[in-house]
Amino acid sequence: LAKTTQPISMDSYEGQEVNITCSHNNIATNDYITWYQQFPSQGPRFIIQGYKTKVTNEVASLFIPADRKSSTLSLPRVSLSDTAVYYCLVGDANSGNTPLVFGKGTRLSVIA
Amino acid sequence: EPEVTQTPSHQVTQMGQEVILRCVPISNHLYFYWYRQILGQKVEFLVSFYNNEISEKSEIFDDQFSVERPDGSNFTLKIRSTKLEDSAMYFCASSTAGAGEKLFFGSGTQLSVL
Repeated sequence: LAKTTQPISMDSYEGQEVNITCSHNNIATNDYITWYQQFPSQGPRFIIQGYKTKVTNEVASLFIPADRKSSTLSLPRVSLSDTAVYYCLVGDANSGNTPLVFGKGTRLSVIA
Repeated sequence: EPEVTQTPSHQVTQMGQEVILRCVPISNHLYFYWYRQILGQKVEFLVSFYNNEISEKSEIFDDQFSVERPDGSNFTLKIRSTKLEDSAMYFCASSTAGAGEKLFFGSGTQLSVL
């Protein structure tokens, strides 16, 4: 499984765009990149998944460069409720049972 | 959006006792997982379950632990002879097509072993 590296913490003011970058230098050809969000005392929640280029949904955008060795989660105009831990995971979407391994994630604190 | 349901939300037990944590995965999902998170630490994989059998398990998932899907809807994690270090939040998750797909997590069971 490809190892991921992301900043331990980030701070942002309300209304700003937040970009969290994750490094995954050993990503394999079949691996997808998935981001989860976790609030205190809750289970992780899927945010977005991508393979290459750019993916956008109602919550976030995911930018993946051509070499796929990194990815950036972009949260537009964050609010206080976006304060959470964000995890970047890399895994084969066709792997069946091979489990996702969570790292320490990035703790985002949004300040009023 | 469909939800994974876990009960109880909190469980307090004495060291050495057995506990059963219950989960109801999303109805059309085929892959089931248990994770745990000790306070302040990362989410750790315990076990995955597919086609009525364990498909992967971590080093944490030793003989003290077992999983079962007794009736086609519930998915349980049993911890025999609990230890103090088993105190953690336990999360159940399910997916349609494996871990590489979107995992749906429950809200967790906070287990406290005294």
